[in-house]
Amino acid sequence: EAGVAQSPRYKIIEKRQSVAFWCNPISGHATLYWYQQILGQGPKLLIQFQNNGVVDDSQLPKDRFSAERLKGVDSTLKIQPAKLEDSAVYLCASSLYGTGWYEQYFGPGTRLTVT
Amino acid sequence: AQTVTQSQPEMSVQEAETVTLSCTYDTSENNYYLFWYKQPPSRQMILVIRQEAYKQQNATENRFSVNFQKAAKSFSLKISDSQLGDTAMYFCAFRIMDSNYQLIWGAGTKLIIKP
Repeated sequence: EAGVAQSPRYKIIEKRQSVAFWCNPISGHATLYWYQQILGQGPKLLIQFQNNGVVDDSQLPKDRFSAERLKGVDSTLKIQPAKLEDSAVYLCASSLYGTGWYEQYFGPGTRLTVT
Repeated sequence: AQTVTQSQPEMSVQEAETVTLSCTYDTSENNYYLFWYKQPPSRQMILVIRQEAYKQQNATENRFSVNFQKAAKSFSLKISDSQLGDTAMYFCAFRIMDSNYQLIWGAGTKLIIKP
């Protein structure tokens, strides 16, 4: 089966610019996650969708970050305006369901550099 | 609040040796799942092994096994007959059973297998 797809793989922008990331999860996976991974740290959950509804966005900086999952399939994550501290790898993951046991499948990530 | 601690930022061993990565966690919950994920350099995060807290028997997956000590809240990963392809960041993660609670991640251990 096809894995989780993400684009772009790399992005360099200046601070105060905007950027958008795209994710296409594994077909049939109801749950989609966006993580921020700063170098040398574990992933930090930004937002979790169950189908097209938000389950958890408690750590999403809502003044600058937004995400949507239209039709419960692919998703976009946007940052506007970007700050230097947003430089990180943005990981998208999906799982069959959102409850405990189910394995999360990760995409290759988008490496964002804000200058 | 739940936390996961990986006390070894970096480890290195010779190929074919056995290595153990440590992980401790803190929770007041009784039913949960524990995971080890692997993130090879420039490659996607993948699940290595998982354990249900209500099972006393330690999980094994080929060369990978865990030592789960529930009372001590410890969940270490043992890699036997290490191979060059095992070089990666290893993350320990925890999730409450039967909930949409997010995965709680450790900071990771960088494992280097030397030829």
